[in-house]
Amino acid sequence: AQSVAQPEDQVNVAEGNPLTVKCTYSVSGNPYLFWYVQYPNRGLQFLLKYITGDNLVKGSYGFEAEFNKSQTSFHLKKPSALVSDSALYFCAVPPISGNTPLVFGKGTRLSVIA
Amino acid sequence: DVKVTQSSRYLVKRTGEKVFLECVQDMDHENMFWYRQDPGLGLRLIYFSYDVKMKEKGDIPEGYSVSREKKERFSLILESASTNQTSMYLCASRNSGGARETQYFGPGTRLLVL
Repeated sequence: AQSVAQPEDQVNVAEGNPLTVKCTYSVSGNPYLFWYVQYPNRGLQFLLKYITGDNLVKGSYGFEAEFNKSQTSFHLKKPSALVSDSALYFCAVPPISGNTPLVFGKGTRLSVIA
Repeated sequence: DVKVTQSSRYLVKRTGEKVFLECVQDMDHENMFWYRQDPGLGLRLIYFSYDVKMKEKGDIPEGYSVSREKKERFSLILESASTNQTSMYLCASRNSGGARETQYFGPGTRLLVL
């Protein structure tokens, strides 16, 4: 079955430093991979997705993610973190082809410290 | 912009009550989904629907039912609420283009069952 794993429950980073939120995947065939962000007491907001093509995907709010097939990873990155980036981040993958819903990782809480 | 709305942001109900959670999307999406979110467990799929009057069980359907009488509306029903159904409920919708399509989420309903 297709799945994603987020190995870190919590990531702390100082404001202005680069941030990375990790995601590894296990899929057969070509993967579709998604990142979402959830601010406190809100729903999930779509950040970016990898379908095919360039391994570096750019998304909302200055975030980008790098698809690495050899390492089966899709890490979320931002060159300079803001305090307002503090939130819960989810990586997701569709379990099989067709109209099946996304399966989400457990989430990583990002805290950006001023 | 895709808009997914949920009828309540916060809800308090008593054990044994019948609870209706409503979700409406304005983008003519065929697919709609209900997830619940709990700390440490991430998002878990309850039910989803490919089209009007169609429904499929997700990973944790027990204690829930759904209704999709109109394309834009997907209702989650707790037939007899129990305390273990206290949770954050998230609705999402998506076009029917398959696994590459983005799921868009509503703001969530935080349900407390006393």
